[in-house]
Amino acid sequence: QVQLQESGPGLVKPSETLSLTCTVSGGSLSNYYWSWIRQPPGKGLEWIGYSSDSGITNYNPSLKSRVTISVDTSKKEFSMMLLSVTTADTAVYYCAREGSRLTIMYGAFDSWGQGTLVTVSS
Amino acid sequence: EIVLTQSPATLSLSPGARATLSCRASQSVTTYLAWYQQKPGQAPRLLIYDASRRAPGIPTRFSGSGSGTDFTLTISSLDPEDFAVYYCQQRRYLLTFGGGTKVEIK
Repeated sequence: QVQLQESGPGLVKPSETLSLTCTVSGGSLSNYYWSWIRQPPGKGLEWIGYSSDSGITNYNPSLKSRVTISVDTSKKEFSMMLLSVTTADTAVYYCAREGSRLTIMYGAFDSWGQGTLVTVSS
Repeated sequence: EIVLTQSPATLSLSPGARATLSCRASQSVTTYLAWYQQKPGQAPRLLIYDASRRAPGIPTRFSGSGSGTDFTLTISSLDPEDFAVYYCQQRRYLLTFGGGTKVEIK
């Protein structure tokens, strides 16, 4: 069974870059989209974007100018960089696996990391 | 952007009651719709994909229906562990989540 684990700093200063990594174990990176999703404290879920193992990416239009997601198949991990953060970027960040059209559960997130809280503060 | 509107925002019910949650899309998403359950301090858990298919290991009391713009998640008889927040999510165009429905104990 696939497992995902986020890692990265819990505190980032305003205007700096937020970098997170998700390590995948127990499964292949092929035939899936690898996404980042965030949840501000007490609020709902917001999709940030995804990358496939072949490097196909897609981003939430509201964040597209500041975010980059990439996959490293040799390390079985994928990463996110969010530029020029503000306090509005404070949230729990989740990594998740989404089924591609080659899988049964296309478009649904069947595996999630436990989430990591990132606070933007000086 | 496709907007998903969930209603009601909060549903107050007793254990054993039937819960009916609604998700309405601003334009057709065909059946590219999923439902998730989230408990405090936990990641969301996939319940339903493709509008009506239960994910592996999900109890049969959970069912999904609908297509196009109107969708429903039904919990036939609420178990104490079902009190949580539920989100719908579409994948027809890019990807968006609804605002959530909290199912609380009455």
